[in-house]
Amino acid sequence: AQSVTQLDSQVPVFEEAPVELRCNYSSSVSVYLFWYVQYPNQGLQLLLKYLSGSTLVESINGFEAEFNKSQTSFHLRKPSVHISDTAEYFCAVRENSGGYQKVTFGTGTKLQVIP
Amino acid sequence: DTGVSQNPRHKITKRGQNVTFRCDPISEHNRLYWYRQTLGQGPEFLTYFQNEAQLEKSRLLSDRFSAERPKGSFSTLEIQRTEQGDSAMYLCASTEGTGSAIDSPLHFGNGTRLTVT
Repeated sequence: AQSVTQLDSQVPVFEEAPVELRCNYSSSVSVYLFWYVQYPNQGLQLLLKYLSGSTLVESINGFEAEFNKSQTSFHLRKPSVHISDTAEYFCAVRENSGGYQKVTFGTGTKLQVIP
Repeated sequence: DTGVSQNPRHKITKRGQNVTFRCDPISEHNRLYWYRQTLGQGPEFLTYFQNEAQLEKSRLLSDRFSAERPKGSFSTLEIQRTEQGDSAMYLCASTEGTGSAIDSPLHFGNGTRLTVT
């Protein structure tokens, strides 16, 4: 069975500083990987996804994540955070096994950007 | 694309009462998911539909929970004899699920927050 681990429940960081949110997954087959973001009082929305090909994927607002198969990780990074990045970030995995594909989420990491 | 719509946004009920939530997915999406999210946790999978067929139910879904998607469009989630432990945010998501769109991401609604007193 697939699983996702986000070790950091909260990450405080000063504005314009870099940040890394960690995500590790477990699966016996190949996977698709996703980061979702939940801004205060809003629903979950897709931030970026890894399907295949280049292991480095980017979002439109400056976040990037790198798929590392050997370490089974998909950490999210941003070189310089903004106040508006304050949100909760969820890593998710979907097994690429054909047929039905359940999406499993991590427990989330709250990013708090400090002015 | 009007997004995934969930109603009601909030529901307060007394223990033992039945509640029903509705989800209207994005119109061309044939896959629909229900998740539950409690404070400090990520969304937990409850059940999944492909068109009108319910293909999987989580062990989290006790026999007090039932979900339907009668015409492959909107879905309802009913909880009978609610308990305080049912208090949570109930999330609905939809996605395309055929051919090359099999890896498409989930589109979530804003959820229904249930409080059982």
